[in-house]
Amino acid sequence: GESVGLHLPTLSVQEGDNSIINCAYSNSASDYFIWYKQESGKGPQFIIDIRSNMDKRQGQRVTVLLNKTVKHLSLQIAATQPGDSAVYFCAENIEGNDMRFGAGTRLTVKP
Amino acid sequence: DAGVTQSPTHLIKTRGQQVTLRCSPISGHKSVSWYQQVLGQGPQFIFQYYEKEERGRGNFPDRFSARQFPNYSSELNVNALLLGDSALYLCASSRFQNTEAFFGQGTRLTVV
Repeated sequence: GESVGLHLPTLSVQEGDNSIINCAYSNSASDYFIWYKQESGKGPQFIIDIRSNMDKRQGQRVTVLLNKTVKHLSLQIAATQPGDSAVYFCAENIEGNDMRFGAGTRLTVKP
Repeated sequence: DAGVTQSPTHLIKTRGQQVTLRCSPISGHKSVSWYQQVLGQGPQFIFQYYEKEERGRGNFPDRFSARQFPNYSSELNVNALLLGDSALYLCASSRFQNTEAFFGQGTRLTVV
């Protein structure tokens, strides 16, 4: 499959370490946020979401933090595995209309 | 359960032609959205349909149109294709608006 995001910000971590991927969103009216993982040649895969009335949400090995004051979102992946290597996108949603995606971050996990 | 399915997976068209892309949402999902993803960028919103009505439109020319059918499947049409329309076209479905959206594998459109 082809590569997505040839000139993206990159993050390289050692297998087993924790990863933190950051995202700045643009609209203070955004009320719903989603993190997606996209592997080469595939569509984005839903990871975790959070609504604006929360500041933290945890899933399996992943945690999303939302700081509305500075319009910042982060995705924390615990015990990163080689299978986590992909491009990660944050998306913001305004009142259920459209999702606006960030530029993406390429995560590379070194064995 | 089947996920979001898109057809065709790959397509090659000539400039000036028209193309129709198809999407079947997850069973029970009433909202379908279309996105364009060019190489190196995040998906860009084109349309959202909910309950067969257009609920949102991105910054795309009128050459782009879509519709949603009574069974909630959807088609995206692009007329008068340009080279710059070459991209991965993604369909996402969600149960309602503003709920978690799941993407299909996309249709890779190449315009030559």
